[in-house]
Amino acid sequence: EAGVAQSPRYKIIEKRQSVAFWCNPISGHATLYWYQQILGQGPKLLIQFQNNGVVDDSQLPKDRFSAERLKGVDSTLKIQPAKLEDSAVYLCASSLGPGTGRYGQYFGPGTRLTVT
Amino acid sequence: ELKVEQNPLFLSMQEGKNYTIYCNYSTTSDRLYWYRQDPGKSLESLFVLLSNGAVKQEGRLMASLDTKARLSTLHITAAVHDLSATYFCAVENSGGGADGLTFGKGTHLIIQP
Repeated sequence: EAGVAQSPRYKIIEKRQSVAFWCNPISGHATLYWYQQILGQGPKLLIQFQNNGVVDDSQLPKDRFSAERLKGVDSTLKIQPAKLEDSAVYLCASSLGPGTGRYGQYFGPGTRLTVT
Repeated sequence: ELKVEQNPLFLSMQEGKNYTIYCNYSTTSDRLYWYRQDPGKSLESLFVLLSNGAVKQEGRLMASLDTKARLSTLHITAAVHDLSATYFCAVENSGGGADGLTFGKGTHLIIQP
């Protein structure tokens, strides 16, 4: 079974530029999550999708971050404009979803973003 | 707001020794997860603990959950160098279909040969 795929793996941009990350979840997983992991810290949830609807975006800085999951499969996360403090690893995870009786979130390899 | 605290945050130990990592959380939750992260890598799922009193073991690692005390432990038995990594506990948010995870800061574990 293929895992969660993410691209690019690394990205370096200057502050005030924009950037986008892509995620393809495990086949059949209805729920998709984006997390931000700053160096030396645990991941922080940014947004959760159930199919193509947003379930929780309470910690997403909506003035600069946006995310979409068209057709309920792939997802993109965008930052515009980027700030220095956005330097982090952005992790995508997927799961079968609540109410299925099957538990566990499976993480992709992440995209390491450096903002200079 | 759900808070998750791990301790210790840093642990250096010798091979062959036993030790325990603690994870406390602030509000009621249905599920608790333990993950391992190697440097520069993503998160690897170790355990999912689903109910009070749950205990799971894999090799030299054993995890337990006490929902009344809001405490989980990860016990390492006879540590070996290959277990050197950062270990995170994470608690599932609950309500309204949202089940994203709140993570602790992680325990950076170094096992000396």
